[in-house]
Formats: sequence, structure tokens, C-alpha cells
Amino acid sequence: GAVVSQHPSWVICKSGTSVKIECRSLDFQATTMFWYRQFPKQSLMLMATSNEGSKATYEQGVEKDKFLINHASLTLSTLTVTSAHPEDSSFYICSARAQLNTEAFFGQGTRLTVV
Amino acid sequence: SQKIEQNSEALNIQEGKTATLTCNYTNYSPAYLQWYRQDPGRGPVFLLLIRENEKEKRKERLKVTFDTTLKQSLFHITASQPADSATYLCALITSGTYKYIFGTGTRLKVLA
Repeated sequence: GAVVSQHPSWVICKSGTSVKIECRSLDFQATTMFWYRQFPKQSLMLMATSNEGSKATYEQGVEKDKFLINHASLTLSTLTVTSAHPEDSSFYICSARAQLNTEAFFGQGTRLTVV
Repeated sequence: SQKIEQNSEALNIQEGKTATLTCNYTNYSPAYLQWYRQDPGRGPVFLLLIRENEKEKRKERLKVTFDTTLKQSLFHITASQPADSATYLCALITSGTYKYIFGTGTRLKVLA
């Protein structure tokens, strides 16, 4: 299958700082990228959907000013957690899809710990 | 209300048997459905995609069925192996918006 690379795989940051997570589709052009959050032993919770060149669509309850998403090119989307707090600690996962009716491929995930 | 449910949180089976996982949905109109495998601390890995006009798909030891009347998908792993132990997620992709909605996952453990 296609490859989606997410970086970093883990990060520890101090409370109040910002953290940027990158998601790259390595061998295909992703018209749509998704960002998820996953708590231990729970399923993936969709945070936002981003289409290349346009503003991200956030799910209800997700603060767009806190979780900044940029999808500047067909191979790169970034999620920036601004002014991180311990409750933002979680596993963040991105996925990328080439076309509307095709499968999405996932990155390896990023474990964020805010201390 | 809209829901996607996977039959059980955990499933233990003996090596060599067929594992059957269930994904039921209510009040969604799916364009297609996907199954993923997720290992601890890793992102989901795509396994199979089945469209709403397809009944069955196979890939090696994997088989998925899709019954839009019952609003159910079944995922089978034949000749299961301990290496198949993982969490399996079903994802429904809604028609129109093509949004991904994930089930809660089933933790499969294949016992040697």
C-alpha cells in the first residue's frame, strides 16, 4: 500500500509551548488528509479534515485555534498544538487519501506528552 | 442516533481457527467500508475496502462481507496465527461527505 510518514513519532514538551506534527504522503498525492486523536484502548476520534489549498474542517468540539492545521501541498499537512497543556497529551494520527472513493492510509502516529 | 459498533471488545481464538469480527452500523449511509489492523502504539494499517454495491472481498486469508440490508460487515481471518493478534477497526465512509467514522475496535488474540 501507499506510504504515509508522520513525524515525530513521539514528543515531550512543556506546558504552554507549541508542538508541530508533520504528515507526509511519500508516494502519492493526497487531496485530503485527516487528523485523529486516540486515547488508550479507544477508537480514533476525527479532529479535522483538510483538503489541499483550503481551510480545514473541524469536528464539533475541536478548537481550531488550538489545533492549527495546514495543508499547503498535496504531500504535506501539519498539525500544530498551540499552548499545549497536559490534557492535550494523547496519540495523534494522520491519514491521507488520494481520491474521494479510495482508501486512506495512516501515518505511524505521534505520542504527545505535555509535562 | 448514529452508531458504529464492533461486536466485542476482545476475542480469543485458538490458532488455526477462523476469527470472525462484526461491524454493525445504524443511521449511516455508507459509500464504502474499510477494515484496518492496529498494533499498540502504531497507526492503523489498511487491510480491505468493500463498496456498498459489493457483497464480498478477499485477500489471502482475509475475507470481508458487506450486507447493507442488515447494516453489517463481517471480517474473517482464516487459519489464524498468533501474529494476527491485534486490534481490528472497521471504518465506515459516508456517502456524500466521504467522512471516516471508526468503530470501537475488537482486540483479537490468537492463542498458540
